[in-house]
Amino acid sequence: NAGVMQNPRHLVRRRGQEARLRCSPMKGHSHVYWYRQLPEEGLKFMVYLQKENIIDESGMPKERFSAEFPKEGPSILRIQQVVRGDSAAYFCASSPQDRYYGYTFGSGTRLTVV
Amino acid sequence: GQQLNQSPQSMFIQEGEDVSMNCTSSSIFNTWLWYKQDPGEGPVLLIALYKAGELTSNGRLTAQFGITRKDSFLNISASIPSDVGIYFCAGQLNTNAGKSTFGDGTTLTVKP
Repeated sequence: NAGVMQNPRHLVRRRGQEARLRCSPMKGHSHVYWYRQLPEEGLKFMVYLQKENIIDESGMPKERFSAEFPKEGPSILRIQQVVRGDSAAYFCASSPQDRYYGYTFGSGTRLTVV
Repeated sequence: GQQLNQSPQSMFIQEGEDVSMNCTSSSIFNTWLWYKQDPGEGPVLLIALYKAGELTSNGRLTAQFGITRKDSFLNISASIPSDVGIYFCAGQLNTNAGKSTFGDGTTLTVKP
């Protein structure tokens, strides 16, 4: 019974490149959330998605960031033209539709922009 | 936006001691959650609280949902070395889905 799978675990990008972070929710979970964590800080909400729908993107930066959760395949968080300030741990979480007991988090993707 | 104040920021305790940490908010939440994060990993849910005044236990952990809906505390009894980690509170407006607002965490160190 696999949990939330995120890949890659570590990602290094040069300034100006694109970063693509993938998240496969737990089996049976239809709600996906993305959070960002800076060192020594808590998790900051970015976006909440269901299949083919963005439900809440109030935490997403207005530019360069986008997220999707297609009908088939994993959820993708995409960061275009990365800058040093994008360096952080990005966590994906999922929850089921019919019963809520908090999130199940993945192990995160640690993005380093050089 | 909503903010959570979590305290203390860090704690250094002796094995066997009890621990208490809390979270306060300027606004109401309808769900309070407590997570633990180990280095290099994602947070793991410890306890979820859904009703004001609710007191819930999970082994040596006990958490309460404040009557005002603006605060929560977590107690750990008889700490052991594997309790080391960062503990986060999180508040949520919706009871069945939606975003959570996280505190900045309490880093717990347990000396054997």
